[in-house]
This record gives sequence, structure tokens and C-alpha cells, in this order.
Amino acid sequence: DAEITQSPRHKITETGRQVTLACHQTWNHNNMFWYRQDLGHGLRLIHYSYGVHDTNKGEVSDGYSVSRSNTEDLPLTLESAASSQTSVYFCASSTGLGTEAFFGQGTRLTVV
Amino acid sequence: KNQVEQSPQSLIILEGKNCTLQCNYTVSPFSNLRWYKQDTGRGPVSLTIMTFSENTKSNGRYTATLDADTKQSSLHITASQLSDSASYICVVSDNNAGNMLTFGGGTRLMVKP
Repeated sequence: DAEITQSPRHKITETGRQVTLACHQTWNHNNMFWYRQDLGHGLRLIHYSYGVHDTNKGEVSDGYSVSRSNTEDLPLTLESAASSQTSVYFCASSTGLGTEAFFGQGTRLTVV
Repeated sequence: KNQVEQSPQSLIILEGKNCTLQCNYTVSPFSNLRWYKQDTGRGPVSLTIMTFSENTKSNGRYTATLDADTKQSSLHITASQLSDSASYICVVSDNNAGNMLTFGGGTRLMVKP
């Protein structure tokens, strides 16, 4: 069955370290998204991509970067992790604009 | 700025009872409205997607309504089960280039035996 997977599920890192969270989908979806979820906030968009080599900044992109070298993967990199980036991160994909988005299981990141 | 507000923030009901969750939005121009269920420690899973012309949509014991004039939606859960305990998130898509999603903060529902 097609799916979207995130790894790792849990990660603890130190302030200042570079961290990469992986997202892999097997639906062949063009659109992929990264969100963060914090208490008191709805999911907030970090970065998104509408296809290979396409990346765009979302609402809370500072301190994060993505790259899209193939259809299946959209890794999220924290260049220099900060405590404010402690959060749960969700990756999602969809076939096109306005269509249903499918979410991964999430990655809980703690920056100490 | 596009906003989605949900109420109540949390709700406790007894198993077998019905409940209704509310969503108000100010997203414009409107494209569609979605309700997601998010179990603890899991990603959100879609329950319904409603476009401008749809007033109601059901998915089993879940029924969503949409009033595009007042920019309100509700999610009604009938004969609740313990497995309905989760967060329910209202998400609105705009009709601009990009069809960005705006997420509500969610309603945390707990169903007790």
C-alpha cells in the first residue's frame, strides 16, 4: 500500500547542531509539505514543494530548509537547532491543489 | 489574515452520547473545508472534505455541515465510542494560487465509559 513515512519518530539533539528529518511518500504525489505542531497553535506550514526542484517558504520557515531532488522525498533540515524548534513535525503530501492531504506519523524533536 | 477558530477547546462526553464541534473561519476566497481526526501520537487523518456548494457530508457516525454564508462549520458525532477520543481539526483551503491550508487549533474530545 502507498504510504508516507517519517524518520526518525523521536529525536533529541543539542542546540546548534544540524538536524535532518526525513519524509518519504510512495504515492507519487507532486505536492509535499512540512508542518510543525505546538500546544496552543494549529499546524503551521514551514516549507512546501509542488514538484522536483521546487521549494517554497511557509509561514514559519526561518531556521529551516528543504530540498526536493526526487518526487518521493522532502527532507527538512534545521541548520542550527534552537530550543524554540522543539516541536512535533508532520510531513504531508497531496496529488494537487485543493485535494486531500495525507500526513505522516510525525517526528517529535527535542532540542536541549 | 486567514484564521480558523474552533470551539470548544476540549470536551468530555460519555460513551454513546452525541456531540457537536464548531468551526468558524475567515479564510477568503474559500476553496474547501476539511475535518481531520488526530489520535494521540499520530498524524491527522481526513474525515471529510466539503466544497462551497456542499451543505452536509457524512462519513459513518461523523456528519459535517457547512454554511458558507456565515463561514461556519460543525462536526456532529453520533453515538460516540471510546475510539472517538482524539483531537478534531478543522482546516480551510483558500482559492488563491497555492491553495494554502489554514488549520484550527483543534478540539480535544475525550469519550468516557
